[in-house]
Amino acid sequence: GAVVSQHPSWVICKSGTSVKIECRSLDFQATTMFWYRQFPKQSLMLMATSNEGSKATYEQGVEKDKFLINHASLTLSTLTVTSAHPEDSSFYICSARETGGVVGNQPQHFGDGTRLSIL
Amino acid sequence: DQQVKQNSPSLSVQEGRISILNCDYTNSMFDYFLWYKKYPAEGPTFLISISSIKDKNEDGRFTVFLNKSAKHLSLHIVPSQPGDSAVYFCAAEGSGGSNYKLTFGKGTLLTVNP
Repeated sequence: GAVVSQHPSWVICKSGTSVKIECRSLDFQATTMFWYRQFPKQSLMLMATSNEGSKATYEQGVEKDKFLINHASLTLSTLTVTSAHPEDSSFYICSARETGGVVGNQPQHFGDGTRLSIL
Repeated sequence: DQQVKQNSPSLSVQEGRISILNCDYTNSMFDYFLWYKKYPAEGPTFLISISSIKDKNEDGRFTVFLNKSAKHLSLHIVPSQPGDSAVYFCAAEGSGGSNYKLTFGKGTLLTVNP
């Protein structure tokens, strides 16, 4: 089945540091990837849609300068949390939807998430 | 405004019995529905989906039913196994084009007791 790899799985860093999270589709191409954030005991909240070769589309209330997204290839999207502060601590999850000529509904497949803790 | 609702935060079922997880939605533009299973500190795992042109989809022990007129879908797991214990999320996708965003419910914690 479709596999999405997310790295790193856990990051602990000091306030003011920038952190990069990678999301890779391992066995399929994905022109569209998604970044979510999950707070404890809450649902997944979509942060942004990452489009290969173009700018990401951010959801309302998400700071694009804080959460930089780059989707440089059909199998890789990165999320960089710039100048991270304790309130950015959360569980970040990416997903990818298989594209490349596939017709019809396709499920999104998720990475295992990244636990980000800012001290 | 919550467009996808899972009104039961938790459900407890005995091993071997049927688990029924429910989901309601309000947006009539949703045309693709999915169920995901999630363990703590892991990403969601895709289980089963259904297109709005169908009312039932079955895959092994998992069956999803869709009632468009009631804007309601349900996931049936039978027989339930202890390994099924997890949080189950219902998700809905809007109609076509370049918009494949998923809207998630808040999840239902299923506990299957041996």
